[in-house]
Amino acid sequence: QQQVKQSPQSLIVQKGGISIINCAYENTAFDYFPWYQQFPGKGPALLIAIRPDVSEKKEGRFTISFNKSAKQFSLHIMDSQPGDSATYFCAASNPNTGNQFYFGTGTSLTVIP
Amino acid sequence: ETGVTQSPTHLIKTRGQQVTLRCSSQSGHNTVSWYQQALGQGPQFIFQYYREEENGRGNFPPRFSGLQFPNYSSELNVNALELDDSALYLCASSLVWEETQYFGPGTRLLVL
Repeated sequence: QQQVKQSPQSLIVQKGGISIINCAYENTAFDYFPWYQQFPGKGPALLIAIRPDVSEKKEGRFTISFNKSAKQFSLHIMDSQPGDSATYFCAASNPNTGNQFYFGTGTSLTVIP
Repeated sequence: ETGVTQSPTHLIKTRGQQVTLRCSSQSGHNTVSWYQQALGQGPQFIFQYYREEENGRGNFPPRFSGLQFPNYSSELNVNALELDDSALYLCASSLVWEETQYFGPGTRLLVL
């Protein structure tokens, strides 16, 4: 059973456009929601993270929007650049089970110059 | 501050063999988690170690085992390798009271 559902599977965006990736979860005990960026052959790198007590968090061109009632959260990449082309994973963790992260299935983002 | 390191980077084994993968935590981190990432999939939690003891386990059989050492480095051992064990194995370290996990570059295991 996939604890975190991610969409779309792949995304193609023009340079300068906005990339939006969505995730949904069921377990209301989740209280930490990070996004990771992964380049081919590399480990995931933390991009930005949010807790459910805020509805939005922005760091540079990256913004997480969080809707607690809908149990959904999304990553917005503003002014997308070719260097942003990578696979993005959302994740969630439950403090009652330690630091176990449940990952989404990933979104392959391609930014066309 | 050094990041998470893993060795080896690549490994080829045959079915039935045993393998040991190694991980050095980021400086100051006392919790290590191991994940398996199959091609085109998200990482799947294998287990976590804190203070040299297993502190949580995902849906993996007992032939997946681990160790954490006093310096917080860790090993992942897989016995009786199967073809489906071919994957990228990721180690992540964190402070137990913080959720942020920092991943290493992974070890790519191919089982033939």
